[in-house]
Amino acid sequence: EVQLVESGGGLVKPGGSLRLSCAASGFTFSSYGMNWVRQAPGKGLEWVSSISSSSSYIYYADSVKGRFTISRDNAKNSLYLQMNSLRAEDTAVYYCARDGYSGYDYDYWGQGTLVTVSS
Amino acid sequence: QSVLTQPPSVSAAPGQKVTISCSGTSSNIGNNYVSWYQQLPGTAPKLLIYENNKRPSGIPDRFSGSKSGTSATLGITGLQTGDEADYYCGTWDSSLSAGVFGGGTKLTVL
Repeated sequence: EVQLVESGGGLVKPGGSLRLSCAASGFTFSSYGMNWVRQAPGKGLEWVSSISSSSSYIYYADSVKGRFTISRDNAKNSLYLQMNSLRAEDTAVYYCARDGYSGYDYDYWGQGTLVTVSS
Repeated sequence: QSVLTQPPSVSAAPGQKVTISCSGTSSNIGNNYVSWYQQLPGTAPKLLIYENNKRPSGIPDRFSGSKSGTSATLGITGLQTGDEADYYCGTWDSSLSAGVFGGGTKLTVL
C-alpha cells in the first residue's frame, strides 16, 4: 500500500525557517517524481514544487522561488522541503504528492502537515 | 487568481447529473493532460481523472472527464450525498514551467 507521511510542520515566526519531510513507503520511491502542494486555510490547492526521480529536474512556483528548496533522498525514501524567509502567506497545509500516470497528475497524497507563520 | 478557471459552486439533486468546467489556455490545458481531484471535507485530495478522461482503479464510472481545446469538463452522474466535496482541475503550464490548479468548485447535492 502506497503511503506518504508528512512531518515537520508547526508554528514559526515571520522570517523563520522550517524543514518539512515526507516519508514514502509501499512503492519504489526512486522511480517517481514527487511534489509539494499547499492549501491555505479555506483556500484552494496551490502547487509549490516538483522534483524528478533522480533530482535532475526541479521546479518551483514563483511565490516560493529563492526561498524554498525541494530535495529527496532515495536511499531513505524521503522527500524534503526546506522553507526559509517564511511569510504569513505561506501559512497552509502542505501535502506531498506522487507523480501519477502521465507525470501531469498526482496519484497519491499524504495527509498533510500544517505550517503556521505568525508572530 | 488561479491560472485555471472553475465555477465556485454547482449544485444538483441526488440522482441527477452535474458538470464542472475548467478553462485554461494553450500553454496549459491546450497542450497538456488534465487531471481532476476530489477533496472531501477535512481530507487530502484524491485523484479522480487523469490524462483528460481516464479513471484510476477504484473510481466509479459515474465520474468522467473530457477535454476540448483549452477547456476541460468533469461529469458526475447519479449524484449521491457522499459526492459533496470540492473538486479541482489541474495540469502543467509549459510557459510557466509550473503545476497549476483551478480555484476549486464546491459541489452541493441538494
